[in-house]
Amino acid sequence: EVQLVESGGGLVQPGGSLRLSCAASGFTFRNNWMNWVRQAPGKGLEWVANINKDGTATYYVDSVKGRFTISRDNARDSLYLHMNSLRVEDTAVYYCAKDEDWANDYWGQGTLVTVSS
Amino acid sequence: QSALTQPASVSGSPGQSITISCTGTSSDVGGYNHVSWYQQHPGKAPKLMIYEVSNRPSGVSNRFSGSKSGNTASLTISGLQAEDEADYYCSSYTGTNTPWVFGGGTKLTVL
Repeated sequence: EVQLVESGGGLVQPGGSLRLSCAASGFTFRNNWMNWVRQAPGKGLEWVANINKDGTATYYVDSVKGRFTISRDNARDSLYLHMNSLRVEDTAVYYCAKDEDWANDYWGQGTLVTVSS
Repeated sequence: QSALTQPASVSGSPGQSITISCTGTSSDVGGYNHVSWYQQHPGKAPKLMIYEVSNRPSGVSNRFSGSKSGNTASLTISGLQAEDEADYYCSSYTGTNTPWVFGGGTKLTVL
């Protein structure tokens, strides 16, 4: 059974940093691109970043470029999102999602990041 | 990259069919067949319902179908059931260095 379990969310002040983790199991992690998608309270889904199978290519939504870094450790079946210079508008539930056939076929339960003073 | 355009809400009675549209541009929806649809119940993670415009993942009811014409993709749900009440999101590949975009979401109400 495919499982994605996010962790690392919490309350952080504007300008602060946070690292999210996503532990994957039930599939061969190194064979899939992976995505981070977020959802602000009461709002829609927003794609944030993705990473290719071996971690050599990464892509970001414009609003997080230069502040967020996506990475992966295939030996640990883990995906990460390093978030710096956090802003109030980054407040959201962050989901990791497995990419298969150009779609996100499995999602984690999400981890809440709250940026507030 | 602008979000894809979806109606804010649609509604239908049990047993009826509804269609949710997702309008983009020739640079995303119209340019690629990498369009997918997601269902999200309150407080839950999204669930993949359709991928590559019209393909259903294993386990998804055949009451759900997808199509595309030009820059607009559509999700049709036939034989509406109470459990279909949820938010629905479309997504498309864009081929740019911001490769994915979602629609704004559509709230489906089953009357």
